[in-house]
Amino acid sequence: AQKITQTQPGMFVQEKEAVTLDCTYDTSDPSYGLFWYKQPSSGEMIFLIYQGSYDQQNATEGRYSLNFQKARKSANLVISASQLGDSAMYFCAMRERRSGGTASKLTFGTGTRLQVTL
Amino acid sequence: DAGVIQSPRHEVTEMGQEVTLRCKPISGHDYLFWYRQTMMRGLELLIYFNNNVPIDDSGMPEDRFSAKMPNASFSTLKIQPSEPRDSAVYFCASSFYGQETQYFGPGTRLLVL
Repeated sequence: AQKITQTQPGMFVQEKEAVTLDCTYDTSDPSYGLFWYKQPSSGEMIFLIYQGSYDQQNATEGRYSLNFQKARKSANLVISASQLGDSAMYFCAMRERRSGGTASKLTFGTGTRLQVTL
Repeated sequence: DAGVIQSPRHEVTEMGQEVTLRCKPISGHDYLFWYRQTMMRGLELLIYFNNNVPIDDSGMPEDRFSAKMPNASFSTLKIQPSEPRDSAVYFCASSFYGQETQYFGPGTRLLVL
């Protein structure tokens, strides 16, 4: 079963508008973390935002916010006031913490390609 | 501060040749991860190290792949012999215990002809 599901292969948004990129996850681990990364056409992976499963508030980083709905197992990325430079692939990822507290690997979704238009 | 450094950025080689990819993690980070990105399989973890010790290599595709971390500031991923299906972008990432975020290097784009 897919652990991270991104159902939108591609999205368009007009400049200055807000856009929501969907991400749902599946885990039985009570302690986990959710991440969003941006991959522009140049290829690098850029960390955007992180949400811990025990965090009470939704994470925000500048124009990025994470709409975390734990009961629905969703962690959607909201980009406000879109800019042309936001055009990129966006990946949702999950980290499940194994017993013993050691760091664990990230599992990535398939990504959503966002295109910002004038 | 310098981020994760990878070399080479691009590598073109012929089938059967040995390929060595290099990574320097962020100073102070004690976890190092090697990922591979392909169109077919997306981003997948190959192996990760903690304090220079391999912890999970279950993602390494086969014996042709090997990874080492001789010290805290250097790791290699070697493919010997290389095959065309190894063509991909290979990322190195690092983090430290207590901080959740993994920071990625720029990647090495490998093409095996």
